[in-house]
Amino acid sequence: KNEVEQSPQNLTAQEGEFITINCSYSVGISALHWLQQHPGGGIVSLFMLSSGKKKHGRLIATINIQEKHSSLHITASHPRDSAVYICVLNTDKLIFGTGTRLQVFP
Amino acid sequence: DAGITQSPRHKVTETGTPVTLRCHQTENHRYMYWYRQDPGHGLRLIHYSYGVKDTDKGEVSDGYSVSRSKTEDFLLTLESATSSQTSVYFCAIGGTPNEQFFGPGTRLTVL
Repeated sequence: KNEVEQSPQNLTAQEGEFITINCSYSVGISALHWLQQHPGGGIVSLFMLSSGKKKHGRLIATINIQEKHSSLHITASHPRDSAVYICVLNTDKLIFGTGTRLQVFP
Repeated sequence: DAGITQSPRHKVTETGTPVTLRCHQTENHRYMYWYRQDPGHGLRLIHYSYGVKDTDKGEVSDGYSVSRSKTEDFLLTLESATSSQTSVYFCAIGGTPNEQFFGPGTRLTVL
């Protein structure tokens, strides 16, 4: 069983929709990261969180340590949000999820 | 990502040839990492460095070697490239193990 699993693997949405991407894990962590990888390949760190919730613009990340689950929400989605979103676990090493590919259509 | 660059950005080579990828940073970060990214896999750590001349293996280190002779440069070498090493390679840097900033990636094709 993979230590980290993301769902869905692929997601399409219409502009303006509310998006949720999920990350479930099975190991103890000190923190969890969300990364965004643009179609051109560049990777940007969005959030690092160890409890509760963080918000940056239209992006919200939550984590429930007891349930070993994190969600990334995008409000009022836009085509420029189209990217692969990667969940990363902080243990004694970094464990990368395989990503969720999001496409937002106008 | 302005403080981290990778070269070359694209390379096509033949099986059996040596290949060196360069990661250069201007942030003076202590930690540097090399990852490969393949379809169906998350980013996988090849090697990392925690200081000049201090390196260690990641989970997919076979067939790769690294060197870090100065803080700003971390080199990844494929001594004899194989087709299974066709991938996109990302370098990352960080001031601590918990933070990582990624380079733009290098697309390597081994024919």
